[in-house]
Amino acid sequence: NAGVMQNPRHLVRRRGQEARLRCSPMKGHSHVYWYRQLPEEGLKFMVYLQKENIIDESGMPKERFSAEFPKEGPSILRIQQVVRGDSAAYFCASSLAGTGFSYEQYFGPGTRLTVT
Amino acid sequence: DAKTTQPNSMESNEEEPVHLPCNHSTISGTDYIHWYRQLPSQGPEYVIHGLTSNVNNRMASLAIAEDRKSSTLILHRATLRDAAVYYCILRASSGNTGKLIFGQGTTLQVKP
Repeated sequence: NAGVMQNPRHLVRRRGQEARLRCSPMKGHSHVYWYRQLPEEGLKFMVYLQKENIIDESGMPKERFSAEFPKEGPSILRIQQVVRGDSAAYFCASSLAGTGFSYEQYFGPGTRLTVT
Repeated sequence: DAKTTQPNSMESNEEEPVHLPCNHSTISGTDYIHWYRQLPSQGPEYVIHGLTSNVNNRMASLAIAEDRKSSTLILHRATLRDAAVYYCILRASSGNTGKLIFGQGTTLQVKP
């Protein structure tokens, strides 16, 4: 059973470009979470999605960031007009259930975004 | 989610047991205690979770105080591969969208 897959693993963008980060959850998982880890900082929750629905986006920056999890295909985290402060590791996690307090989340290897 | 307090760092020798403490004095009766760890340059990894009783799995043991205001993650024989940041996280059983709220965690160094 393949784990959570993220691609690309490394992404370099110039300021002002768009970044698209992809996440394929574990087989059978329909709940996806995105987290961001800024350099020398802790992991911060960004958004929680179920298939075709955003459930909790309380951690998403108000502008330039969006996320989707379509019926078919991977979840996408999109960052428009990237700035240097967006440089970070972005981790995706999937879960068998979302609000279940005992269900563990399985994390992918992350996408390391560098904005030049 | 209730707050947890962990030491910033700990050291251990290889092959010896490690006890990683976590204080959660404001825990509510329905909060589960979860532990994750993050190895260098990798995504976090689930370790173990529990509610009231002590728990064991292939990776570790979780000892929960009787009043639930603290818990201890136990690695029975530390290996170099166990060097990581360990996070103690409380997850509410209701009114929670399931997101994990990470603190600073405990950075564990394992010496050969």
